[in-house]
Amino acid sequence: EVQLVESGGGLVQPGGSLRLSCAASGFTFSSYWMHWVRQAPGKGLVWVSRINSDGSSTNYADSVKGRFTISRDNAKNTLYLQMNSLRADDTAVYYCARATIFGVSGMDVWGQGTTVTVSS
Amino acid sequence: QSALTQPRSVSGSPGQSVTISCTGTSSDVGGYNYVSWYQQLPGKAPKLMICDVSKRPSGVPDRFSGSKSGNTASLTISGLQAEDEADYYCCSFAGTYTWVFGGGTKLTVL
Repeated sequence: EVQLVESGGGLVQPGGSLRLSCAASGFTFSSYWMHWVRQAPGKGLVWVSRINSDGSSTNYADSVKGRFTISRDNAKNTLYLQMNSLRADDTAVYYCARATIFGVSGMDVWGQGTTVTVSS
Repeated sequence: QSALTQPRSVSGSPGQSVTISCTGTSSDVGGYNYVSWYQQLPGKAPKLMICDVSKRPSGVPDRFSGSKSGNTASLTISGLQAEDEADYYCCSFAGTYTWVFGGGTKLTVL
């Protein structure tokens, strides 16, 4: 079964850091681009970041550029999101998602999400 | 990276058809044939319903269809069923390996 399972969310103070993980199974992880998408409470989906299949190319939304870092370990079938200088408006459910095999087409597999709360 | 514009809500009766619009710019929706649509049930993760403007992934009912004209993409759901009640989001490739989502549309089946 193709599956993505996020972990690492929690409560963190403003200015703090957190690292999210996304464990992939059931498919050849190293062949696919991956994304992080977030959803603030009661709000819509927002694209956060994308990484290519071998980790050599990364892209970010302007709102997180310079604070968040996406990475992957293909040997461990795991995607990461390192989040630094966290702000209250980073509070959201964070989803990892697999890009379709064609890359730019869309996101065809999603995890269940992990909740990040930034508050003092 | 401004969000694509979707109506906040749409509604229809069982068996009817509804269309959800998604308006962007020539830098995203109008510039690429890489619009996708997602269904999100309450408390659940999004599910891909349409990719590449009009392609249905395996397992998605053919009641769901997508199209695009200029800077506006559309999702049409025909033969509405109660289980279609959900939030729907469009998403477009926006160049330089960035993506942008719409604000979401709540579909109510009357």
